[in-house]
Amino acid sequence: EAQVTQNPRYLITVTGKKLTVTCSQNMNHEYMSWYRQDPGLGLRQIYYSMNVEVTDKGDVPEGYKVSRKEKRNFPLILESPSPNQTSLYFCASSFTTSGSYNEQFFGPGTRLTVL
Amino acid sequence: AQSVAQPEDQVNVAEGNPLTVKCTYSVSGNPYLFWYVQYPNRGLQFLLKYITGDNLVKGSYGFEAEFNKSQTSFHLKKPSALVSDSALYFCAVTSGNNLFFGTGTRLTVIP
Repeated sequence: EAQVTQNPRYLITVTGKKLTVTCSQNMNHEYMSWYRQDPGLGLRQIYYSMNVEVTDKGDVPEGYKVSRKEKRNFPLILESPSPNQTSLYFCASSFTTSGSYNEQFFGPGTRLTVL
Repeated sequence: AQSVAQPEDQVNVAEGNPLTVKCTYSVSGNPYLFWYVQYPNRGLQFLLKYITGDNLVKGSYGFEAEFNKSQTSFHLKKPSALVSDSALYFCAVTSGNNLFFGTGTRLTVIP
């Protein structure tokens, strides 16, 4: 089944404790992206990647890092999480390097709480 | 600056009635416009998109959207609402390699 998977689905952590949220897709998509969803703000793009070793900032990149060493994986790293990063995070992928112009496939989401 | 506005946080409609979820946008150049739907505890699912051509775009689950360049709008429509259409709907616009979302409209279809 074609899908985008994220792990963990739920995470409660404390301020300053480094964490990684994994994202993997099995559709051989070039484009991958991370979003956060907050009430009243909709989805905001954090980082995106147009291909392996090619990443760029989205709308709200501060406090986040990403890497794209393999085509299928696009982990989101919070080096020192803070409470304002409590949110619902979505990973998405698309099948061309101009991924923002095409249908994106979304993962199920990761609900992160930073205490 | 690119932006998307969904002026209604909540839309209620009776089952069987037509529904409209509104979206206006501001973007330089020619826009690529999208509608996505989010069901409870799920990721977003693509409904439809407008690139160019016919102003009426048809998508999944009987939804369609009308692009109006003069009013910079891209309203989502369905002729006859189903209870199962109840969900959170997001309009989005592409600018370069970024995708900008509206704040979402919660649609409730009342039996």
